[in-house]
Amino acid sequence: EVQLVESGGGLVKSGGSLRLSCAASGFTFSSYSMTWVRQAPGKGLEWVSSISGTSTFIYYGDSVKGRFTISRDNARNSLYLQMNSLRVDDTAVYYCARLTCSGSTCYTPPDYWGQGTLVTVSS
Amino acid sequence: DIQMTQSPSSLSASVGDRVTITCRASQDIRNDLGWYQQKPGKAPNRLIYAASSLQSGVPSRFSGSGSGTEFTLTISSLQPEDFATYYCLQHNTYPLTFGGGTKVEVK
Repeated sequence: EVQLVESGGGLVKSGGSLRLSCAASGFTFSSYSMTWVRQAPGKGLEWVSSISGTSTFIYYGDSVKGRFTISRDNARNSLYLQMNSLRVDDTAVYYCARLTCSGSTCYTPPDYWGQGTLVTVSS
Repeated sequence: DIQMTQSPSSLSASVGDRVTITCRASQDIRNDLGWYQQKPGKAPNRLIYAASSLQSGVPSRFSGSGSGTEFTLTISSLQPEDFATYYCLQHNTYPLTFGGGTKVEVK
């Protein structure tokens, strides 16, 4: 059974940093791209960042570029999101999800999602 | 960036109604589109991929159609468990982009 479990969320002051983790199980982690999607309270879904299976291809949304860094450790079946220079508008539930891609081409939209972890940035 | 325009943003319907939600892409995305259902406090659940392929385990009352720039999600006979928010997502080109969502409420 595919499982994705996020952790690392919490309350942080504006300008601070936080590192999210996503523990994956039930599939060959290194064979899949992974992505982070966030949802601000009461708002819609926003794609944040994606990383290919071998970390060769990495993409960021404009709103987080230069502040967030996505990475993965295939030996540990784990995905990470290092979030620096956090702003109040980064407050959201952050989901990790699995993608099937080859290079910059994704064949299907995310299929499995974690339950999310809440990041709250205070002023 | 590819913009996904989803409509309506909300709708009121009754059990048994046929419901249609539309997403329009700002440029051709072939059939690189998925539909998701999200209930409060839960992660999105994929209903449709490749614009019209039904996710395993999803009831057949859900269907998707379209290609290029116009896409539709149809619920043929709305059930009580279908009251939720629905999103489209294009994965043709980075950045991936979601539609704004459609909240399906009880009439």
